[in-house]
Amino acid sequence: DAGVIQSPRHEVTEMGQEVTLRCKPISGHDYLFWYRQTMMRGLELLIYFNNNVPIDDSGMPEDRFSAKMPNASFSTLKIQPSEPRDSAVYFCASRGVYTGELFFGEGSRLTVL
Amino acid sequence: AQSVTQLDSQVPVFEEAPVELRCNYSSSVSVYLFWYVQYPNQGLQLLLKYLSGSTLVESINGFEAEFNKSQTSFHLRKPSVHISDTAEYFCAVSEYDNAGNMLTFGGGTRLMVKP
Repeated sequence: DAGVIQSPRHEVTEMGQEVTLRCKPISGHDYLFWYRQTMMRGLELLIYFNNNVPIDDSGMPEDRFSAKMPNASFSTLKIQPSEPRDSAVYFCASRGVYTGELFFGEGSRLTVL
Repeated sequence: AQSVTQLDSQVPVFEEAPVELRCNYSSSVSVYLFWYVQYPNQGLQLLLKYLSGSTLVESINGFEAEFNKSQTSFHLRKPSVHISDTAEYFCAVSEYDNAGNMLTFGGGTRLMVKP
């Protein structure tokens, strides 16, 4: 398996633009997580899905952020409109039957100017 | 609610020296414990974990961690570090009765190995 695949790896955009980050989890995994990592706040859980259903989105910073999982092999995290404070590395992770291990993608580094 | 504290944000150490990265957790129930490593420009990957059984767990690259229930600690150690061990290390915990087995991560410790 190729692991968790995220795109784009890097995104530079201007304030006010819409940003869409994409994630393909490992086949067979039924949990998917979106994290944000910054120097100031460290690693924050934004939202997670179980069997494509959002379970807990309490970490989503505000209404400008939304996430969807239309099927078991694809998820998106959208920011609209983007702001400079959204600049961070966004990670997607997945897991299946509980062994304690989360599998992380390589991240999408977002810079909002 | 569970929480994790990594007491050191940065640990500089010379190559071939021993190192200990400290992790303490807080939980009202039994827990699973993990160490993840993040190399530059990469995602996190599991280094080692404690689920049950022996309280001393080891990784394939020479790290070990010991679960100490009375001290609520899970410190990570390596007797002799290499330059390639330079990375950020995250301690994480999940509770037995957490339906989603959600991981709570510590703030991370940046290990900097100097030649």
